[in-house]
Amino acid sequence: DSGVTQTPKHLITATGQRVTLRCSPRSGDLSVYWYQQSLDQGLQFLIHYYNGEERAKGNILERFSAQQFPDLHSELNLSSLELGDSALYFCASSVGLLGGYTFGSGTRLTVV
Amino acid sequence: DQQVKQNSPSLSVQEGRISILNCDYTNSMFDYFLWYKKYPAEGPTFLISISSIKDKNEDGRFTVFLNKSAKHLSLHIVPSQPGDSAVYFCAASASGQGGSEKLVFGKGTKLTVNP
Repeated sequence: DSGVTQTPKHLITATGQRVTLRCSPRSGDLSVYWYQQSLDQGLQFLIHYYNGEERAKGNILERFSAQQFPDLHSELNLSSLELGDSALYFCASSVGLLGGYTFGSGTRLTVV
Repeated sequence: DQQVKQNSPSLSVQEGRISILNCDYTNSMFDYFLWYKKYPAEGPTFLISISSIKDKNEDGRFTVFLNKSAKHLSLHIVPSQPGDSAVYFCAASASGQGGSEKLVFGKGTKLTVNP
């Protein structure tokens, strides 16, 4: 157990629907990062929150949004889902880059 | 535009031998590099890192080498063990990103260590 909790582990939904992925960071970590891993691709940075504030945005679609709550957990909202959104979504938390992030085990999203 | 490239999708080595995984980058602003290991159905796990002020960092069986002039880094695993079989991701970060330490990842290399 890495200490970073992601729920749900698996999600199957239809095109056009909206889903919410949840991430609880490791105790004491203020930063939460979201990454997307599509088939045969590396991890693509989506968004970074630090202590409730957005710090950086990557190639995140306008249909996607995220937030970090006062208790530091984060949610990634994906709407108007398309088949191409099927991927593994990872969140990671950190106190700093030294020693790397700690990743959760991911949410596998399948859009049918 | 892929800023971090791992050109070998897979690598197979014999147990006890050296495994060398390679990574190239294009962005000269990158100043911190990391390697992650990933098993199926798990998230990536941090393995080892190196700052651009160094050219080598060692941790047990794992050594990372950085050649800044060539924009190349490599991960050496000696000796390789069957439990090292996993996908290895190279990642890079640039300081001064407005307080964000986002990482740019390569596509990964699948290492298989045969008994």
